[in-house]
Amino acid sequence: DIVMTQSPDSLALSLGETATINCRSSQTVLHSSNNKNYLAWYQQRPGQPPKLLIYWASTRGSGVPDRFSGSGSGTDFTLTISSLQAEDVAVYYCQQYYGAQLTFGGGTKVEIK
Amino acid sequence: EVQLLESGGDLVQPGGSLRLSCAASGFTFGSSAMSWVRQAPGKGLEWVSGISTSGDSAFYAGSVKGRFTISRDNSKNTLFLQMNNLRAEDTAVYYCAKGNSPQDYWGQGTLVTVSS
Repeated sequence: DIVMTQSPDSLALSLGETATINCRSSQTVLHSSNNKNYLAWYQQRPGQPPKLLIYWASTRGSGVPDRFSGSGSGTDFTLTISSLQAEDVAVYYCQQYYGAQLTFGGGTKVEIK
Repeated sequence: EVQLLESGGDLVQPGGSLRLSCAASGFTFGSSAMSWVRQAPGKGLEWVSGISTSGDSAFYAGSVKGRFTISRDNSKNTLFLQMNNLRAEDTAVYYCAKGNSPQDYWGQGTLVTVSS
């Protein structure tokens, strides 16, 4: 199975600051046939189910604000939250869907300082 | 509006069985792959299983392979997860999700507790 490693485990920032979350896969999730990275990001607010934020590493999901952006390729990826808002308090997960067995990162908890 | 409503979660003894259901609405169910993802109390997300649109192809996490079976009834817009030989480590909230690569909508989840 592809192992997904996220960093940091948590971060606390002030409103308006930029959050940067990293995700590394144990093998490439870039498919050579279509040049797409099979990497998604999810947001899980307290007490809520996860919500899809980003897929194909950099495509925003339906209704996702443009302050959320994804980047990276191959094995290293980043989720950036610009101008942090109170409603962004959540745990963020990366996920690879390259293999038949999908795997998630351990999660990064984002809090307001 | 996409809606996914899970049911069937319960308290069950180790070694027991349980069948989860997920009633889907608001989209063309038969045209969407589906999946189950679980979350143990206070822990992260774990993908459990995925199934193709027709149900011909199914995929499982190693931790549940041979014990869990995913299936679907496209005529009733319903997804299922048959869970046998349950273990304490299967205790979790089980989410039904639309799609499997990736999951673009999620239900609210149903709690499965495995304990004697």
